[in-house]
Amino acid sequence: AQSVTQLGSHVSVSEGALVLLRCNYSSSVPPYLFWYVQYPNQGLQLLLKYTSAATLVKGINGFEAEFKKSETSFHLTKPSAHMSDAAEYFCAVKAAGNKLTFGGGTRVLVKP
Amino acid sequence: ETGVTQSPTHLIKTRGQQVTLRCSSQSGHNTVSWYQQALGQGPQFIFQYYREEENGRGNFPPRFSGLQFPNYSSELNVNALELDDSALYLCASSLAGGRENEQYFGPGTRLTVT
Repeated sequence: AQSVTQLGSHVSVSEGALVLLRCNYSSSVPPYLFWYVQYPNQGLQLLLKYTSAATLVKGINGFEAEFKKSETSFHLTKPSAHMSDAAEYFCAVKAAGNKLTFGGGTRVLVKP
Repeated sequence: ETGVTQSPTHLIKTRGQQVTLRCSSQSGHNTVSWYQQALGQGPQFIFQYYREEENGRGNFPPRFSGLQFPNYSSELNVNALELDDSALYLCASSLAGGRENEQYFGPGTRLTVT
């Protein structure tokens, strides 16, 4: 079985401040982990993925995430928030098979 | 390279009716997955198709069914619509094979059941 928990359904940050979105997973096999972003009225866009290579993964738009097996976490960060980062972010795990299991999402609000 | 496309964009149906949603895969992709995203929630896996056969299914009743065609495009059919079927339906295409292969999502079809 596999599951994902995203702590905080809403996060508010000031423009230029650090963005930190938390994701914890459970998986019975070594997981593959993904972060997706969803802008209003759009589908999901892949930000980055962890596939058992480097534990620190860099993605698009200045985002990165670190896989920590001991903490079963895959938190997403961006050093300096931009207004265009306002969106909903989803963490997902792929364990056995090719099915993605998503967390409930975190909506990011960026204040000027 | 053509991305994943879905049609229609929006749809309004009445409870008890049937609906068909369509998806065209990204060029070169042979696997299609369908997800249901209720308002304020993360997407939930419905099923996946590979080589025109169902290749995994989530916790959805049999009135949710699908097809995949030789050109890898796909349909999602929902019979006997219920109010709770109102959601954004997302299609994702990928290459079969390793778990590292990411899924590329279309823009979705917003279904409203009244």
